[in-house]
Amino acid sequence: AQSVAQPEDQVNVAEGNPLTVKCTYSVSGNPYLFWYVQYPNRGLQFLLKYITGDNLVKGSYGFEAEFNKSQTSFHLKKPSALVSDSALYFCAVGAAGNKLTFGGGTRVLVKP
Amino acid sequence: NAGVMQNPRHLVRRRGQEARLRCSPMKGHSHVYWYRQLPEEGLKFMVYLQKENIIDESGMPKERFSAEFPKEGPSILRIQQVVRGDSAAYFCASSPAAWGDEQYFGPGTRLTVT
Repeated sequence: AQSVAQPEDQVNVAEGNPLTVKCTYSVSGNPYLFWYVQYPNRGLQFLLKYITGDNLVKGSYGFEAEFNKSQTSFHLKKPSALVSDSALYFCAVGAAGNKLTFGGGTRVLVKP
Repeated sequence: NAGVMQNPRHLVRRRGQEARLRCSPMKGHSHVYWYRQLPEEGLKFMVYLQKENIIDESGMPKERFSAEFPKEGPSILRIQQVVRGDSAAYFCASSPAAWGDEQYFGPGTRLTVT
């Protein structure tokens, strides 16, 4: 069985400071990993994915994530957070058959 | 290119009624997924379909729930004899191919059972 853990329910950061949202996963075989963002009353928007290749993945809106196989982690990062980055962030892991397993989500609050 | 479309956006049903949720995937996408999100929780996989076939329904309750993706027309998630516990946001996603492709999500249907 595959699983995803997002250990922080909420992350608070001041605007302009670095933002990190943590994600660890468990899956049989090679994982493919995703980050999505959800704004209130909206569907999920794709940010970035890791399949193979470079461990540092760059995505939309200045976000990036680092795949660490030994630590089974895929943390989301942004060097300088914006107030508009305040939202709910979900990490997801995929496996054969395309079923995505989502973490419980981390609410990000960026304060001016 | 329109995104994934879902309707209705909001649906209110009384206990015991049927709920039908529709999803039109993005143009060119032949893979459809349904997820359920309870308040303040992550998304839970329900079912994965390709045209006219259910590929994986391991996340869907065995009773009262069914899904289809006909050759023509949208994918339908059907919930019979709804109960209050069915109240949730139901999201549909689509992707152009299998393995590794990101899934694009619709805006969701918020089902309220009174």
